[in-house]
Amino acid sequence: SAVISQKPSRDICQRGTSLTIQCQVDSQVTMMFWYRQQPGQSLTLIATANQGSEATYESGFVIDKFPISRPNLTFSTLTVSNMSPEDSSIYLCSVVGTGPLAGYYNEQFFGPGTRLTVL
Amino acid sequence: SQQGEEDPQALSIQEGENATMNCSYKTSINNLQWYRQNSGRGLVHLILIRSNEREKHSGRLRVTLDTSKKSSSLLITASRAADTASYFCATQNQGGSEKLVFGKGTKLTVNP
Repeated sequence: SAVISQKPSRDICQRGTSLTIQCQVDSQVTMMFWYRQQPGQSLTLIATANQGSEATYESGFVIDKFPISRPNLTFSTLTVSNMSPEDSSIYLCSVVGTGPLAGYYNEQFFGPGTRLTVL
Repeated sequence: SQQGEEDPQALSIQEGENATMNCSYKTSINNLQWYRQNSGRGLVHLILIRSNEREKHSGRLRVTLDTSKKSSSLLITASRAADTASYFCATQNQGGSEKLVFGKGTKLTVNP
């Protein structure tokens, strides 16, 4: 069955540094998204990762802080730039796809998440 | 911004009992999806219900949708300790985008 993986699974970083999170799917998918889950909270959409073009960001999120790449239909990265303790969260990628991940009704599936702690 | 609200925010029951969680939302939707999250890990997709469906079943799970009231419920029957987790509803709103808007979640504790 299809697998969504994220690297790293967790990290502890110093303020002012940047971290790049990778999301890999083992089959081609049409849509990829990045979400943030702050401690004890629900999930908030950061952006839609568009293949071959700039990501589409939600209100409150900007490209300079969260640059996203999606070079192909199976891979995306999210960078958290110039980090502060307020960026401590779980970051999750999700996909809506075709092939083994396809749901008849477009179910959205999530990766295991990256737990980020900023000191 | 959050689309909806789940209630209760927290629920504690004994093993074998049924657990019911509710979700309300504000706008017209294409579908509503329920997820489970164990201890801050990734989300596990449980069930999707479309806007023209009223009820769906999957194993011990039963989901209902009332679009007139903009609400959904998730029923877990014969709960087990392993069902202890946070449960989230998420809506895909009308308008063509696949993105999901999440509710605040219900933290379920099933006591052995």
